[in-house]
Amino acid sequence: QVQLVQSGAEVKKPGASVNISCKASGYTFTNYYMHWVRQAPGQGLEWMGIINTSGGSTSYAQEFQGRVTMTRDTSTTTVYMDLSSLRSEDTAVYYCARELVGATTKGFDSWGQGTLVTVSS
Amino acid sequence: DIGMTQSPDSLAVSLGERATINCKSSQSVLYSSNNKNYLAWYQQKPGQPPKLLIYWASTRESGVPDRFSGSGSGTDFTLTISSLQAEDVAVYYCQQYYSTPPYTFGQGTKLEIK
Repeated sequence: QVQLVQSGAEVKKPGASVNISCKASGYTFTNYYMHWVRQAPGQGLEWMGIINTSGGSTSYAQEFQGRVTMTRDTSTTTVYMDLSSLRSEDTAVYYCARELVGATTKGFDSWGQGTLVTVSS
Repeated sequence: DIGMTQSPDSLAVSLGERATINCKSSQSVLYSSNNKNYLAWYQQKPGQPPKLLIYWASTRESGVPDRFSGSGSGTDFTLTISSLQAEDVAVYYCQQYYSTPPYTFGQGTKLEIK
């Protein structure tokens, strides 16, 4: 069955970086894009960016430009999200979510379990 | 960017009654070449990731109970729960995946039992 398994919770100091992994299994990795979405405590869903798992190209939301980097390793079917210059407002649960490549996409049909990142001095 | 606005922000419905959530996009999300609306609905229960309920505005994801239905086209969409069950208490989000990036979500609608 399809699984997206994320790395564990992190506690970081302001100004630091965090790297979260998302290990995919149960499907053909390169047939799906991978997205990152975050959710601050008590807030809604905020799309951060997308990586094409086949070619590695990325596109990031404007508010994260310059601070976020998404990469993938096709040999281990793992996607990584690195967020730098952390501030308290980055405290959130971070999710990876897959989307089928092509016009028959139906949105984000499988999500990771989430990774809590706490930014505190 | 396409903006998504949901209404209401919160909703309390009695068990067995109908619940209706609306979503409006700032531009059409209808893809003319295949006549599909690139609009999805997600359900999020506390402490869980979102779950895809409806895609293409009206197609239920596999395993989703048939009391959930989606309707609408262009810029106006509705999620309906025909007979509310206790396990349907959650926050519901709409999302457009037509004009991307960015992939924009509505602000969410919190559904509770009256």
